[in-house]
Amino acid sequence: AQSVTQLGSHVSVSEGALVLLRCNYSSSVPPYLFWYVQYPNQGLQLLLKYTTGATLVKGINGFEAEFKKSETSFHLTKPSAHMSDAAEYFCAVRSGYNNNDMRFGAGTRLTVKP
Amino acid sequence: GAGVSQSPSNKVTEKGKDVELRCDPISGHTALYWYRQSLGQGLEFLIYFQGNSAPDKSGLPSDRFSAERTGGSVSTLTIQRTQQEDSAVYLCASSLSPGSNNEQFFGPGTRLTVL
Repeated sequence: AQSVTQLGSHVSVSEGALVLLRCNYSSSVPPYLFWYVQYPNQGLQLLLKYTTGATLVKGINGFEAEFKKSETSFHLTKPSAHMSDAAEYFCAVRSGYNNNDMRFGAGTRLTVKP
Repeated sequence: GAGVSQSPSNKVTEKGKDVELRCDPISGHTALYWYRQSLGQGLEFLIYFQGNSAPDKSGLPSDRFSAERTGGSVSTLTIQRTQQEDSAVYLCASSLSPGSNNEQFFGPGTRLTVL
């Protein structure tokens, strides 16, 4: 079965600094990869996803992620952090076409310091 | 409403009591999911409904947990004889149809606290 590991349960950056949230996956078949964001007291919303095609995926709010098969990674980055980026970020993987077989990581809480 | 809604937003109950959590998916979405989010852990898949097919209950942690979906729309997750370890945020999501490209849209969750 597929799985996701998010390195670092908490990440703190200064406003304007680079954001890097790490995600490694395990999947026996080509994966579909997702990043979701959860703002305080809100539901999860999709930030970006990789299915097929271009390995560098751009999402909302200036975030992007790159699928690296050789490293089994799908790290999330943003060049310059904004205070409004403070939230919890979840990486998820789905293998094959089984719509319910989606596994989430434990999440990374991003704090942005002024 | 345009999004997935859940009620109640917060529920505090005593150990041993039964609770019902409700989810209203986005209109037209045939797939509905329940997840559990515990402190410091990822989202744990509980159950999945797709149209009129039999639900995938493989994620339910015990027989105290059950869920139904009436008329292919609203879903209710029931936890009987609640235990303290059931305390968590219960999230509902819906999506258009089967397929790995389809995004799941999440509700705001119900925070359950079992005293």
